[in-house]
Amino acid sequence: GEEVAQTPKHLVRGEGQKAKLYCAPIKGHSYVFWYQQVLKNEFKFLISFQNENVFDETGMPKERFSAKCLPNSPCSLEIQATKLEDSAVYFCASSQSISARDRDGYTFGSGTRLTVV
Amino acid sequence: KQEVTQIPAALSVPEGENLVLNCSFTDSAIYNLQWFRQDPGKGLTSLLLIQSSQREQTSGRLNASLDKSSGRSTLYIAASQPGDSATYLCAVPIDYGGSQGNLIFGKGTKLSVKP
Repeated sequence: GEEVAQTPKHLVRGEGQKAKLYCAPIKGHSYVFWYQQVLKNEFKFLISFQNENVFDETGMPKERFSAKCLPNSPCSLEIQATKLEDSAVYFCASSQSISARDRDGYTFGSGTRLTVV
Repeated sequence: KQEVTQIPAALSVPEGENLVLNCSFTDSAIYNLQWFRQDPGKGLTSLLLIQSSQREQTSGRLNASLDKSSGRSTLYIAASQPGDSATYLCAVPIDYGGSQGNLIFGKGTKLSVKP
């Protein structure tokens, strides 16, 4: 499809529960990026993939966060033992290329709002 | 380390006014700069992408300019409408030594256009 599809739109978890978010990138896009938006407009980069391979995970909290992009499946971001501070909107973006000459930029999904109570 | 700043943080204008949103970045060695719009509770909609070799890009009532040497970009909105009310974000990709990495975002300008 021509849009980045994120599911679910909303997710409520009790503190300590697991949360799993999904992202289907645009068909043909090889690169997937996950961001966390907290405190209104602060975007924090979490992790990126080139196909099923981790490209850059420098933003990922090591302890409770994990992510995968497997062939023929939506990408996923999983948070084990959620904490109140994990409450945020999680955005996924995809791109066909990361070439310096790429003219299309990044396309974002509509996000998953995670609320930890 | 690249930092992106947007001024003002919020702007309120009457319908019909032309307005300018500002974005500045500390490292001028960018590949491109992308302007997004975010409506409350919604995702990011890409508005304009300016390549480093370009000076400006236009789409309808929107015009974005880029001055790499001074580390600045502006988004000009002509004849503003209430439907333009949203938060506008600019972002630049980090440099992976010839490739683009993740985006570095400004904190956005929240625009309110009053009828």
